[in-house]
Amino acid sequence: AQTVTQSQPEMSVQEAETVTLSCTYDTSESDYYLFWYKQPPSRQMILVIRQEAYKQQNATENRFSVNFQKAAKSFSLKISDSQLGDAAMYFCAYRSRRAQKLVFGQGTRLTINP
Amino acid sequence: DTAVSQTPKYLVTQMGNDKSIKCEQNLGHDTMYWYKQDSKKFLKIMFSYNNKELIINETVPNRFSPKSPDKAHLNLHINSLELGDSAVYFCASSQEGAPYNSPLHFGNGTRLTVT
Repeated sequence: AQTVTQSQPEMSVQEAETVTLSCTYDTSESDYYLFWYKQPPSRQMILVIRQEAYKQQNATENRFSVNFQKAAKSFSLKISDSQLGDAAMYFCAYRSRRAQKLVFGQGTRLTINP
Repeated sequence: DTAVSQTPKYLVTQMGNDKSIKCEQNLGHDTMYWYKQDSKKFLKIMFSYNNKELIINETVPNRFSPKSPDKAHLNLHINSLELGDSAVYFCASSQEGAPYNSPLHFGNGTRLTVT
């Protein structure tokens, strides 16, 4: 079974600094997708960034970028120039192309210090 | 123009009662889901429907019964509510199949509190 592990229950960063959230996953599949979702206090689940496993180039969305290491099964999220609005729970998630379900990690609570 | 909307936003009820949560998506997606987020924020899939057909049922107690009258709606009915059912329930939708599977789009969640 696929599993996703986020080893950092909590992280904090100074405003305007850079922070990296870690995620590892376990799968025997070769074709899959990886995601980072953000859940602010409003509890809405917001897609931050997505990576297709067949793409070697790391995905980037403005201040958010990933470091995808397929062999190591690692998928970290880097947030540059952190802003107060980035404070939230961040969830790493995996799905194979075949399966119609998203498997989530335990989440990392990110605090931004002004 | 809410993409995935679920009602109610909050639901407080007593043990033993029966309650329903409704979900609608206007994205034209063919697949809908119910996820449960427990008190530790862990998200786990409960059900998935594709074009009104049940695809995934993740060992959820049969007190939980999803119903999909059409591919834009997926409701969740819960019988004989228990204290352990207290959680946030998320509806989500996606478009499956070629050329690629879209990401899941989530509703804003329903916080269910059973007293």
